[in-house]
Amino acid sequence: DTAVSQTPKYLVTQMGNDKSIKCEQNLGHDTMYWYKQDSKKFLKIMFSYNNKELIINETVPNRFSPKSPDKAHLNLHINSLELGDSAVYFCASSQSAGQGDNQPQHFGDGTRLSIL
Amino acid sequence: AQSVTQPDIHITVSEGASLELRCNYSYGATPYLFWYVQSPGQGLQLLLKYFSGDTLVQGIKGFEAEFKRSQSSFNLRKPSVHWSDAAEYFCAVGAWGAQKLVFGQGTRLTINP
Repeated sequence: DTAVSQTPKYLVTQMGNDKSIKCEQNLGHDTMYWYKQDSKKFLKIMFSYNNKELIINETVPNRFSPKSPDKAHLNLHINSLELGDSAVYFCASSQSAGQGDNQPQHFGDGTRLSIL
Repeated sequence: AQSVTQPDIHITVSEGASLELRCNYSYGATPYLFWYVQSPGQGLQLLLKYFSGDTLVQGIKGFEAEFKRSQSSFNLRKPSVHWSDAAEYFCAVGAWGAQKLVFGQGTRLTINP
């Protein structure tokens, strides 16, 4: 009965490869997010989708491409992986009635990406 | 732009002692404020939130936080910590409501037996 689930939990790959991380939520939320947590534990938002529409797109290299096939899923595809992409990536979701809503975000357990 | 500062990177307290984790924010409008906890290898769990109203908010696991607008602070407190409270604690301010969270650097809490 996991609320926000991410797969895989660990991802080890070589520089230059392309990889995807999947996220699914069963909370009935309509907004989903991707965050990046670096080695110093600093968390920064990358993207946010509301009802499959991109609403937040922070300064992220265009090698990162989110895809939301439906409200319950938000996947993250990364092309041409670089050493600096090593981090923990968190998916989150919330229920939003509109812009600037105040519902808290629920986080998955993270995907630890290591680039060799 | 909004920002959050957690001045203490690492705090160690004895089990049973009281705890206060500091958080200062910078945001031009009325802030939405949150405290999350992250246990090793886990995601973030919401401890409590402040949107409006009573400036002292109660959360889960016996935590509370007080919003002080004059000091731009939202400090987290617990009267008596347990060994299971050892974790990383993050303060966050919601820019554009709660849909864009800006996090502080985190405070790592260690509990001495």
